[in-house]
Parts: sequence; structure tokens; C-alpha cells
Amino acid sequence: GENVEQHPSTLSVQEGDSAVIKCTYSDSASNYFPWYKQELGKRPQLIIDIRSNVGEKKDQRIAVTLNKTAKHFSLHITETQPEDSAVYFCAEANQAGTALIFGKGTTLSVSS
Amino acid sequence: DAGITQSPRHKVTETGTPVTLRCHQTENHRYMYWYRQDPGHGLRLIHYSYGVKDTDKGEVSDGYSVSRSKTEDFLLTLESATSSQTSVYFCAISESGGYGYTFGSGTRLTVV
Repeated sequence: GENVEQHPSTLSVQEGDSAVIKCTYSDSASNYFPWYKQELGKRPQLIIDIRSNVGEKKDQRIAVTLNKTAKHFSLHITETQPEDSAVYFCAEANQAGTALIFGKGTTLSVSS
Repeated sequence: DAGITQSPRHKVTETGTPVTLRCHQTENHRYMYWYRQDPGHGLRLIHYSYGVKDTDKGEVSDGYSVSRSKTEDFLLTLESATSSQTSVYFCAISESGGYGYTFGSGTRLTVV
């Protein structure tokens, strides 16, 4: 079945540094890869996503890259700020394309 | 807010008792999901629905049942609660399968 491995589980950076979170997926037929951000005590919210026909997508300080050959995709956050501190989840769609399977999450801490 | 509400927000129940959690949406989305969130495990899919009376199992469905008798409501039932079902439960909705989830605020369930 589908499986998404997410690394690292925790990441600590200084304000202004870059942060990179990587996910590896198992189903080569997967074609949609979203990233969700969950602040403490809040609901997860979609921050960026990428489809398999695109190699990279940017939205201000965040970007996602996709390597279909290696079956991995990464979230890049530049010029990190304390408000970027949260848990980040990657996901892929299940084989039927009807639900998302999530990675275990990465806790990002940005210290000022 | 996001057009999706969960009730109750918090519940403490005793082992062996039945518990029902409710997810209500006002977006008329076809897909509704139940996930549980536990430290170190991320978000795991319990059950989901792709239409009225149409449901399917997720990766951790044992001990849970669901029902959807109308578009706006998706109920999650624990027939006989166990301590291992202590968790935060999130409902999510989607217009088109695994794309563009909107999550509810979550229900914190404690089984004592």
C-alpha cells in the first residue's frame, strides 16, 4: 500500500536560515503531493501542493520540488521566521485517488 | 469559518462505552474523512466517505464504524471505547477526492 516517509522528525533553525523537509513515497503512479502546516493546537492547513507534471512550485518563501525518478519531494522554506514554527506534514494520494496518506510530520522550531 | 464543524470539541469517556463524534459541513463537498492524530504517528486515516451511504476503510479502521445518511453529516462511532483510542480526531472535507482538504478543529477524546 501507500507509504510516505518524512524526514527529519524535528528540525531546529535560527531565524533567517533555510529549512528543508523531505518525503519519500512508494507508489510511482502517485500524481499529487500536498504539504500541510499545523500550528500548536490548531487544525492542519494546506500551504502548497505540486502535481507530478511539474518539477517545482514556489509561493513567496516556500517552495516544493518533486523528483519523480527518485520518488521524493521536498518542502523548502527560506528566510525562516518564528511564525514558521509548526508541525509540517507531507502527503500523497492513495491508489484510488480518493484520500490522502500523510507522513508522520516534522516539528520545525525557528529561534530568534 | 471554514464551513466544517466537529462536535464535541472535548470528551472524556470510560472504557467500554460507546462514543459518537460528529462532523458537519456546509460546503456540500462530496468527500468527508476521519483521521486520528497521535504523537509519532502523524495523521492516520480511519474511514472516509465519497457520498451519502458510501464509505470505505482507511489504514486504522479496526474498532471504528462510520455513517453518512446525508451530505452534510459524517459520524464516527467507537462501539466500545478502549484506552488505545485516546487521541485527537480530525474530520476533513474535500470537493474532489484527495485534493484540497479542509480540516475541522478536531475533537480531543480521552478514554479512561
